[in-house]
Amino acid sequence: DIQMTQSPSTLSASVGDRVTITCRASQSIGSLLAWYQQKPGKGPKLLIYKASSLQSGVSLRFSGSGSGTEFTLTVSSLQPDDFATYYCQQYHSFPMTFGQGTKVEIK
Amino acid sequence: EVQLVESGGGLVQPGGSLRLSCAASGFTFSRHWMSWVRQAPGKGLEWVANIKKDGSEEYYVDSVKGRFSISRDNAKNSLSLLLNGVRAEDTAVYYCARVYYDSTAYYFFFDSWGQGTLVTVSS
Repeated sequence: DIQMTQSPSTLSASVGDRVTITCRASQSIGSLLAWYQQKPGKGPKLLIYKASSLQSGVSLRFSGSGSGTEFTLTVSSLQPDDFATYYCQQYHSFPMTFGQGTKVEIK
Repeated sequence: EVQLVESGGGLVQPGGSLRLSCAASGFTFSRHWMSWVRQAPGKGLEWVANIKKDGSEEYYVDSVKGRFSISRDNAKNSLSLLLNGVRAEDTAVYYCARVYYDSTAYYFFFDSWGQGTLVTVSS
């Protein structure tokens, strides 16, 4: 199975900050990576797919980059609604696997 | 608006069975692969099972093979997951999720999720 490792596990930031989350795959997955946002008690929300494609309706504050084994999710200017947990997911191979999550909390 | 509404969760004893359901609306259910993804309390996400749009193919994570069974009823826009022989480690919120389809191909990430249903395995 492909292992997905996110860093950091927790990130403390302030409104207006630019934040970056990293996701590393244990083997090359091309660009077959998605990012999700999850808030407590809710199902995840798709933000980014194919490493850098923004899902319809998602704020332009979110962007993704990377290919191969290293990927990043960037929030250009953190807003109060963005405090949540973020997950990456590879869909290059079965079984699809997720990173362990990065919690973005208020500093 | 796409809606996925799970139901059927609850407390089940180790070795017992439970059937989860997902009611889909707001899209053409029969055109989409569907999945179940779970999340143990305070933990990350784990893909559990996929089923093809016509129900002809099923795939499972190794840890549930032979114990869980995914099925669908396209006439009723409904997805199910039958959990047999449950274990403590199956305790989780189970999400119904739609596999992405861009009208030419399917990509196994998830563009819509339900709110989840909690399964607790305990004696």
